[in-house]
Amino acid sequence: EQLQESGPGLVKPSETLSLTCSVSGASITDYYWSWVRQPPGGGLEWIGYVFHSGSTNYNPSLKSRVTMSISMSSNQFSLNLGSVIPGDTAVYYCARGGYGGAPLYTWGQGMLVTVSS
Amino acid sequence: EIVMTQSPATLSVFPGDRVTLSCRASQSVRSNLAWYQQKPGQAPRLLIYGASPRATGIPARFSGSGSGTEFTLTISSLQSEDFAVYYCQQYNDWPRTFGQGTKVEIK
Repeated sequence: EQLQESGPGLVKPSETLSLTCSVSGASITDYYWSWVRQPPGGGLEWIGYVFHSGSTNYNPSLKSRVTMSISMSSNQFSLNLGSVIPGDTAVYYCARGGYGGAPLYTWGQGMLVTVSS
Repeated sequence: EIVMTQSPATLSVFPGDRVTLSCRASQSVRSNLAWYQQKPGQAPRLLIYGASPRATGIPARFSGSGSGTEFTLTISSLQSEDFAVYYCQQYNDWPRTFGQGTKVEIK
């Protein structure tokens, strides 16, 4: 089983950060699919999860700016974070989680996204 | 939001030492507690879930215990590959929250 994040590594302030996680070796119709981020030199922050039914649950600290979606045909899931600021600069990880998005059994390698003009 | 507090922030140890890391929750999370290991430049790796069962492929020298608000991760004999940062995470309530991490470094 492997997860791989993809998307732009540089996003301008006020724009939308968009990442996709491609899943191989597991079906996107099973499990809960989560996003976690880690600022440079910092700790881990759970962003939220998406389930194949379309149900989602987001961290309240980001809820107003986050949208997650899933594509069963592509075996992928996605993260959109709007109105980004430099403080959103982080390594973004996608992960396969248990019921309700945790624990996080398998992680992608992570992708650094820098917010800068 | 449940606040997870890990102690100590940094632990300096010798290879072969027995290591005990602590994680405290601001309110009960029952046994819905996971531990992760993260090495520099790598993604975290799940070690323990449900407070004590080891994840697939995790060596027996790693063990977890506790319930409610107090949890412990023990490494019975530290190997060179175990020097890393360790995080706890509760998944009993929303949002899922992590501790700030404990760095285990070579003394």
